[in-house]
Amino acid sequence: GAVVSQHPSRVICKSGTSVKIECRSLDFQATTMFWYRQFPKQSLMLMATSNEGSKATYEQGVEKDKFLINHASLTLSTLTVTSAHPEDSSFYICSGTGADQYGYTFGSGTRLTVV
Amino acid sequence: DAKTTQPPSMDCAEGRAANLPCNHSTISGNEYVYWYRQIHSQGPQYIIHGLKNNETNEMASLIITEDRKSSTLILPHATLRDTAVYYCIVKPGSSNTGKLIFGQGTTLQVKP
Repeated sequence: GAVVSQHPSRVICKSGTSVKIECRSLDFQATTMFWYRQFPKQSLMLMATSNEGSKATYEQGVEKDKFLINHASLTLSTLTVTSAHPEDSSFYICSGTGADQYGYTFGSGTRLTVV
Repeated sequence: DAKTTQPPSMDCAEGRAANLPCNHSTISGNEYVYWYRQIHSQGPQYIIHGLKNNETNEMASLIITEDRKSSTLILPHATLRDTAVYYCIVKPGSSNTGKLIFGQGTTLQVKP
């Protein structure tokens, strides 16, 4: 089946630094990638939707300058958390789909801890 | 906001059927019912989806009421590995378009 490889699985960074999370679709072309954030004991919250070659569309309340999304190719999308602060500590998950894809395939998630 | 309502938690004995209900009383005619599950600290996994007919695959069965205002996901023989949070989601359109908006889901605990 379709696979989305998400890296890193865990990252600890210092407050004020930036962290990049990568999601690669291994066996399909992900024309659309969704990025979610999940706090402990809560549900997934959609942050943004990105289409290959276009600017991402952010959900209300999500700072686009803080969460930079790049989707320059059909197999790679990245989320960069800029100037991270402890409140950005969360579980970040990507999900990809494409024209030749049935349904949505999720990455395994990235646990970000900002200290 | 999510358009579904699910009980926050359920228990099931190993080997027995797990029946997870979902209310979606405001579902529109073009909206499908999707079920995903999330095992602890992993990404969600697709289970099944349907429009108005009952559906079955190797993982589960989906029973949708005739008025489409509710549905039930059935895991026929639950195992300990089925312990997870199960999300019922309604979404318009075909399988690979539109946003998946997650509600709070049901935490299913399968007990030996």
